[in-house]
Amino acid sequence: DAGVTQSPTHLIKTRGQQVTLRCSPKSGHDTVSWYQQALGQGPQFIFQYYEEEERQRGNFPDRFSGHQFPNYSSELNVNALLLGDSALYLCATGWGPTYEQYFGPGTRLTVT
Amino acid sequence: QKEVEQNSGPLSVPEGAIASLNCTYSDRGSQSFFWYRQYSGKSPELIMSIYSNGDKEDGRFTAQLNKASQYVSLLIRDSQPSDSATYLCAVNRQGAQKLVFGQGTRLTINP
Repeated sequence: DAGVTQSPTHLIKTRGQQVTLRCSPKSGHDTVSWYQQALGQGPQFIFQYYEEEERQRGNFPDRFSGHQFPNYSSELNVNALLLGDSALYLCATGWGPTYEQYFGPGTRLTVT
Repeated sequence: QKEVEQNSGPLSVPEGAIASLNCTYSDRGSQSFFWYRQYSGKSPELIMSIYSNGDKEDGRFTAQLNKASQYVSLLIRDSQPSDSATYLCAVNRQGAQKLVFGQGTRLTINP
């Protein structure tokens, strides 16, 4: 049973560019949450998708957008990249009312 | 005041001893509480969840929750060098979907 997967593993972009990160949930999971983790900090919630809709959003600008597909996989898009967007981007998936969320391996984004 | 606070450490504990990690939270509507372990360069791994006051034990790990004091802790018995990692406390408010994380406590187990 595959766990949560994310692609790509690493990414280097230039300021002003756009990036798309991908996440496939663990089997049986139907919610996908995205988090940003800066070095030395805990993950910060970006948004959560359920039934192909954004269910809740954290304190991130509109440059951050997402999508969930019918197979529950998800994409995170970031436009007009800033140096401060450099971070580890984590996808976490879950199911049901327990709110337990399981993280993928993450995508390390570097903006130069 | 941060929503979830942890001592950033580092916390140094001798092998075989009990490691005690603490976390406080500010939102009294918080309902679910989690401990994640994160090795350097890796993603967080869920190790404990607790939803009601009291203790919950799983192997060498015990989570303790006191909602009146807005306090949650994690005890690691018989600490091993492989327990050396950053431990993240996360809290979820009733009706909300997001996890709010503390900044993590870096734990080092000394052989």
